[in-house]
Amino acid sequence: AQSVAQPEDQVNVAEGNPLTVKCTYSVSGNPYLFWYVQYPNRGLQFLLKYITGDNLVKGSYGFEAEFNKSQTSFHLKKPSALVSDSALYFCAVREPNFGNEKLTFGTGTRLTIIP
Amino acid sequence: EAQVTQNPRYLITVTGKKLTVTCSQNMNHEYMSWYRQDPGLGLRQIYYSMNVEVTDKGDVPEGYKVSRKEKRNFPLILESPSPNQTSLYFCASILRLAGGHEQYFGPGTRLTVT
Repeated sequence: AQSVAQPEDQVNVAEGNPLTVKCTYSVSGNPYLFWYVQYPNRGLQFLLKYITGDNLVKGSYGFEAEFNKSQTSFHLKKPSALVSDSALYFCAVREPNFGNEKLTFGTGTRLTIIP
Repeated sequence: EAQVTQNPRYLITVTGKKLTVTCSQNMNHEYMSWYRQDPGLGLRQIYYSMNVEVTDKGDVPEGYKVSRKEKRNFPLILESPSPNQTSLYFCASILRLAGGHEQYFGPGTRLTVT
């Protein structure tokens, strides 16, 4: 069964510093990997995805993520954090089989950017 | 504008009183899904539908029903709500693409069952 782990419940970063939100996954076969962000009282917004190709994926709001197959990781990164990046971030995985398009989500990481 | 709408956005109800949370998408997607979000657990799939009249259970279907009588609508039904169904619910509409998919989420429905 597919699974995702986000080992940090909370990440605090000073404004202007680089940020990393960690994600590791377990899936049979090649994974489809996603990052979503949730702002307070809002739905989930898509940030980026990895399906195939370059291991470094660029997404919305200056975020990027690096797919590392040997470490089964898909960490979210940004070179310079903004206060407006403070939100709840979810990593998700899907097995590329036809049928249930279920995303399996991690438990979420709350990112706080300190001014 | 492409969107997924849910109603109501907030609901407080009592144990045992049947309720329906509606979900509608305007993108003509075949695939739709319901998730619940709970602190420390992330999002878990309740039910999904691959097309009209085709539905199946996700990971946490107990206590829920769904129907898919038309492509745009996918209501979530709680026949006899219980306090453990207090949660934040998200409907998703999925565009299948070659080599992946795009998943669009509704704004969420915060349900409290007392």
